[in-house]
Amino acid sequence: DAGVIQSPRHEVTEMGQEVTLRCKPISGHNSLFWYRQTMMRGLELLIYFNNNVPIDDSGMPEDRFSAKMPNASFSTLKIQPSEPRDSAVYFCASSGSWRVTDTQYFGPGTRLTVL
Amino acid sequence: RKEVEQDPGPFNVPEGATVAFNCTYSNSASQSFFWYRQDCRKEPKLLMSVYSSGNEDGRFTAQLNRASQYISLLIRDSKLSDSATYLCVVNLNTGNQFYFGTGTSLTVIP
Repeated sequence: DAGVIQSPRHEVTEMGQEVTLRCKPISGHNSLFWYRQTMMRGLELLIYFNNNVPIDDSGMPEDRFSAKMPNASFSTLKIQPSEPRDSAVYFCASSGSWRVTDTQYFGPGTRLTVL
Repeated sequence: RKEVEQDPGPFNVPEGATVAFNCTYSNSASQSFFWYRQDCRKEPKLLMSVYSSGNEDGRFTAQLNRASQYISLLIRDSKLSDSATYLCVVNLNTGNQFYFGTGTSLTVIP
């Protein structure tokens, strides 16, 4: 099993540019989560999907952030325009179902630096 | 107030020592509890779930105290490979909202 796949692994961009992060969940998993991790705030849930439908996006910081899941095997997180304070590691995770007891499997993360 | 709070450490312990971490949570309706481990510049990985009766996995023991709203992780006979950040995770039963603590850093010294 390939696990959760994220791309790119590293992204360096300039303020104002659009950034798109990609995620392929584990095949057969129904729930997908996007997190952001910084030293100051730790790991924060941005949004999650069940069966490709966004369920809770209350963690999305502002309108500059958007996420889509067009099918069961692909999701994107877009930041437009990017700002230096968006610099963080962005993780995608998937789980087998929406049940709270199901384990989340994390991808390797995308390390984003906005200059 | 944060949903989950942990002592960030760092904890520096010699090999073979026993070390314990605590984590407190604010919402009494929390239903599921976990410990995740995160190595430097890696993704978090599930270490163990925490059950009401307490549970053990080899050298690791997790406990839940609902009355005081905290969970704990005990590591016995610590190994160099245990060096990592340990994240406490709490989930309400009303949705799929996982709340992560900021993590406790452990370094096991030879």
